[in-house]
This record gives sequence, C-alpha cells and structure tokens, in this order.
Amino acid sequence: KQEVTQIPAALSVPEGENLVLNCSFTDSAIYNLQWFRQDPGKGLTSLLLIQSSQREQTSGRLNASLDKSSGRSTLYIAASQPGDSATYLCAVPGFYYGGSQGNLIFGKGTKLSVKP
Amino acid sequence: DAGVTQSPTHLIKTRGQQVTLRCSPKSGHDTVSWYQQALGQGPQFIFQYYEEEERQRGNFPDRFSGHQFPNYSSELNVNALLLGDSALYLCASSRGGSGNTIYFGEGSWLTVV
Repeated sequence: KQEVTQIPAALSVPEGENLVLNCSFTDSAIYNLQWFRQDPGKGLTSLLLIQSSQREQTSGRLNASLDKSSGRSTLYIAASQPGDSATYLCAVPGFYYGGSQGNLIFGKGTKLSVKP
Repeated sequence: DAGVTQSPTHLIKTRGQQVTLRCSPKSGHDTVSWYQQALGQGPQFIFQYYEEEERQRGNFPDRFSGHQFPNYSSELNVNALLLGDSALYLCASSRGGSGNTIYFGEGSWLTVV
C-alpha cells in the first residue's frame, strides 16, 4: 500500500531564505509526483508535476526533484517571500486508468510560514 | 474560462441528516473526483466518476454516494451524517486521456453538529 510522508510538518523561516521541503513514498512504482499549494481554507493549486522519467521540474523560484529509486522528492523554494506562506502537499497517483489519473495519495503537508 | 466550481462553500448539518454537494468541472473535462480533507490532514480519495459511472472508490462507507450527469457535473451525497464527517470536501476534474492535468475546486466546508 502506497504511503506518502512529508517532513517537516511545519517550517518557519525569515524572508529571503532558500528552503527545502521533503516528500517520501513507499512504493517506487509511480507514474508521476505532484506538488500542490493550499492556502488556509482553500482548494489545491498544482505547482509542479514530475513524470516518472524526469529527474526535476522548475517553475520560477520553485524546483522539484524526483528520485524514484530512493522514494523521495524535494521541493526547493528560492528566495522565499511572505506570499509563499501556505501548506505544501505532495501526491502520487494510486492508479492510472486509460491515460487518466486516478486517485491521488497525498501526504499530510508541510505548513510553511515566511516571516517578513 | 471558469475552473472547477463547487457549491455550497459552507454548510452546517445535524447528525443523522443528509447532505448533497455539487461540482462543475473545468470546461472540457469529463472526469470528476471527490476528496475529503479533515483539518491538518491531506485529502483522502472518495471516488471518481467518468462517463456517468463510478470508476474507482476509496475506503469510504456506502453512506457516501455520488452521481455524474451528462454535462459532466457531479454530486456527492452523504447520508446519516456523523460528527467525523466534518471536513473540507474537494472536487477535482481532469480530461480523460489527457494524462496528468488535474484541477481542484475551492471546496465545500461541511460542519456536522
């Protein structure tokens, strides 16, 4: 059974710092891995998606890496800003059906607070 | 282009009552999934609908049921509400065969008292 774990559960940093969020999964046979952002009381916004054949993806100040063999992914945020404060979740598909993504298995998230 | 829309945004129900939550997928999307997210937890998969049929179901009791309409919109019904059903219910949509693109709505906050 696939399980996703995120460390740390919470993180507080001063503005401008570079930081790394960690995600681990127990079954390395994944099709892809996604990182999402969730603001308090809101829905999820997809940040980055890494296919199983890729090692990393970049979007602006965000960089996500994937190491399937070790069951790990990291989300690197450069030059953090107060607007980055949110909960960051990683997720992997539980199944892949006819080219469509099935259920996503999420970690509990890392709550990030960036202080001005 | 409207994204995934959900209604209502907030509601309060009493134990034992029934609730219906609604979701309109993003334009062009035909697959709808529902998730339950308790406070401090990651979302948990409830079920997925495609072509008006339930394609996969997570580990939720039969009190949770759903429906998908010909226009791809979807409903989540929960019967005999328990206090533990209090959560944020998220709808996600995608296009069959498109691979991995999935979009979430803002969710419906359900409080059971």
